Amino acid sequence: DAKTTQPPSMDCAEGRAANLPCNHSTISGNEYVYWYRQIHSQGPQYIIHGLKNNETNEMASLIITEDRKSSTLILPHATLRDTAVYYCIVSEYSGGYQKVTFGIGTKLQVIP
Amino acid sequence: EPEVTQTPSHQVTQMGQEVILRCVPISNHLYFYWYRQILGQKVEFLVSFYNNEISEKSEIFDDQFSVERPDGSNFTLKIRSTKLEDSAMYFCASNLGQGNTEAFFGQGTRLTVV
Repeated sequence: DAKTTQPPSMDCAEGRAANLPCNHSTISGNEYVYWYRQIHSQGPQYIIHGLKNNETNEMASLIITEDRKSSTLILPHATLRDTAVYYCIVSEYSGGYQKVTFGIGTKLQVIP
Repeated sequence: EPEVTQTPSHQVTQMGQEVILRCVPISNHLYFYWYRQILGQKVEFLVSFYNNEISEKSEIFDDQFSVERPDGSNFTLKIRSTKLEDSAMYFCASNLGQGNTEAFFGQGTRLTVV
C-alpha cells in the first residue's frame, strides 16, 4: 500500500547538494510528507516533515510542489556520513500518533 | 540530547524459548512503538502503545507477541516461543504526541534465533 515512489538508488559527490525526489500523487489534503533515513541497519532517524510549505532545519530542506504531488529532500552539502537509505513517507496527522510505514526508500551513496 | 535506548544490543536464543526485548523511551513521550527489520528487508510496524494499552497492531503481531510498560519507564516486547523466522532487528520508537509527531528510534536489538 505504498503511497510514495522513490528511485531505488542515487549517487552524490561529497560536498555537493543531494536532491532526493519523491512522488506522492495520491496524497490527500490532511497528509503530511515525512522523511526519515536509516544508516546501515541503525535505527531510523527523523529528518524533516511538511504539509505544503517548504521547510528547513539543521539537517535538510524539504521542497513540496504546489500541487503537493511530489517533493524533494535536499541535503545541502552531503558528507560521507549521509550515506544511508532515505524514506519518504506520507502520513495523516492524527493528534500526535505517528505510525511510520516504511517503503523501500532511496539508497544514497555519497562518493568521495 | 534525549534518546531511546534498547537492551540488549544482540540476543541469541534457542527456538522455542521466550525472549524479552527492553526499551526505555524518551521520558516525556506518550506513544510507543515496536518495529522489526528482517535482514535485507523493509522496516515493518509491529505494534503501537498509548495510555497503557495497545492502540494498533499489525498482522505480524500475533499471540506469540506481547508488550508491556511495567514501571512507567521501560517498554518491553515479549516473544513467547521464538521461531527461526523471528530473527530480525527489533526497533523501539517513541514520540511525544500532542502535535509533535516525529518518531525517535532506538538503535535496535538484533535477535538471532538458532
